[in-house]
Amino acid sequence: RKEVEQDPGPFNVPEGATVAFNCTYSNSASQSFFWYRQDCRKEPKLLMSVYSSGNEDGRFTAQLNRASQYISLLIRDSKLSDSATYLCVVNTDSGGSNYKLTFGKGTLLTVNP
Amino acid sequence: EAQVTQNPRYLITVTGKKLTVTCSQNMNHEYMSWYRQDPGLGLRQIYYSMNVEVTDKGDVPEGYKVSRKEKRNFPLILESPSPNQTSLYFCASSNLGLAEREQYFGPGTRLTVT
Repeated sequence: RKEVEQDPGPFNVPEGATVAFNCTYSNSASQSFFWYRQDCRKEPKLLMSVYSSGNEDGRFTAQLNRASQYISLLIRDSKLSDSATYLCVVNTDSGGSNYKLTFGKGTLLTVNP
Repeated sequence: EAQVTQNPRYLITVTGKKLTVTCSQNMNHEYMSWYRQDPGLGLRQIYYSMNVEVTDKGDVPEGYKVSRKEKRNFPLILESPSPNQTSLYFCASSNLGLAEREQYFGPGTRLTVT
């Protein structure tokens, strides 16, 4: 299994739709999980961290399932401005350090009017 | 304004001509890192540094060098660039003290090696 794997998409959804992305990771010792957003040809920016108990930020909900080693991102009531590539990020340093992050290849989302 | 800056933003060079891409952050972050991003391969870490004079290899360090003589600067050096180093490069920094470890990225440097 690849270290961090995402469905590359693309996902094309209408405005107002709910869309979910999943990401699997291979290292059971991973401790830190994040979702980043990257607009075309721009730098990645943190969307949200993912906590063990799950967390929500407005229309965005992140979940972590350690037993199955996957994280998810749910976007409700999607907006045109949500169109971007969503990157799953996991710390994968087997030495236990939280300093080395591995990025998934990203899932491209296009929200259509 | 808190930021990570990279220079140059765009560079076209020839095989074998040494180059340096600079990275600077003004947030007093201990951790800095370099990534390259290629179509179909995503972001891959080249080198990272946990503090001054402390650097370590990432996933794809071959053909690159780094140095961390000052906390704010983390230059990426290509001693003898080759066409397979044509890529989009990002520098990032973060504060090791934060549990979330949010990484702040620079705007990117698009490098073409002919």
